[in-house]
Amino acid sequence: DGGITQSPKYLFRKEGQNVTLSCEQNLNHDAMYWYRQDPGQGLRLIYYSQIVNDFQKGDIAEGYSVSREKKESFPLTVTSAQKNPTAFYLCASSRGLAGVETQYFGPGTRLLVL
Amino acid sequence: QKEVEQNSGPLSVPEGAIASLNCTYSDRGSQSFFWYRQYSGKSPELIMSIYSNGDKEDGRFTAQLNKASQYVSLLIRDSQPSDSATYLCAVKGGGSYIPTFGRGTSLIVHP
Repeated sequence: DGGITQSPKYLFRKEGQNVTLSCEQNLNHDAMYWYRQDPGQGLRLIYYSQIVNDFQKGDIAEGYSVSREKKESFPLTVTSAQKNPTAFYLCASSRGLAGVETQYFGPGTRLLVL
Repeated sequence: QKEVEQNSGPLSVPEGAIASLNCTYSDRGSQSFFWYRQYSGKSPELIMSIYSNGDKEDGRFTAQLNKASQYVSLLIRDSQPSDSATYLCAVKGGGSYIPTFGRGTSLIVHP
């Protein structure tokens, strides 16, 4: 049963703490993405990766970091430098970056600040 | 800066009616267009993609693309209360392989 999994579903962060959001896919997709969604807002791109060991900053990368050591995994770390991290975080993947390639989304992680 | 504009709504339609959702985009070089449905508290799920001018139908859904006027629309026929959700438009191309998302239109289908 192919798909994208994200964990945890809810995550609580204390001030000054780094937290890591997990994203795994078994669709054999090359490209993976992280988006942030705030209430009433569209999706804003944080980072994306086209291939293993390579990733690019999106529109709002400050305060976030990623790694892509395996094709299946693209974890996102929210660092203490991100002052307003409360949001819904969505991981997505696609076969590639070509125009016709479609993004598919995981179920999301909701991050809350204590 | 590429822009994708959607009316935030809410768009309210009675059950059984046709819901019409619109999206305009600024980059004339855009080539790929996607509609996603997002239920409250859930992640977006793909409804349809369209790449050529004209209409594309899939069940109760029809996507319409007009590149000259730079708009794409989604029609939902025989709307059901279960169609109540936020509909996101995403546009890709024009030199970027990363889609730009609109803020979404909230649709409410009332019995």
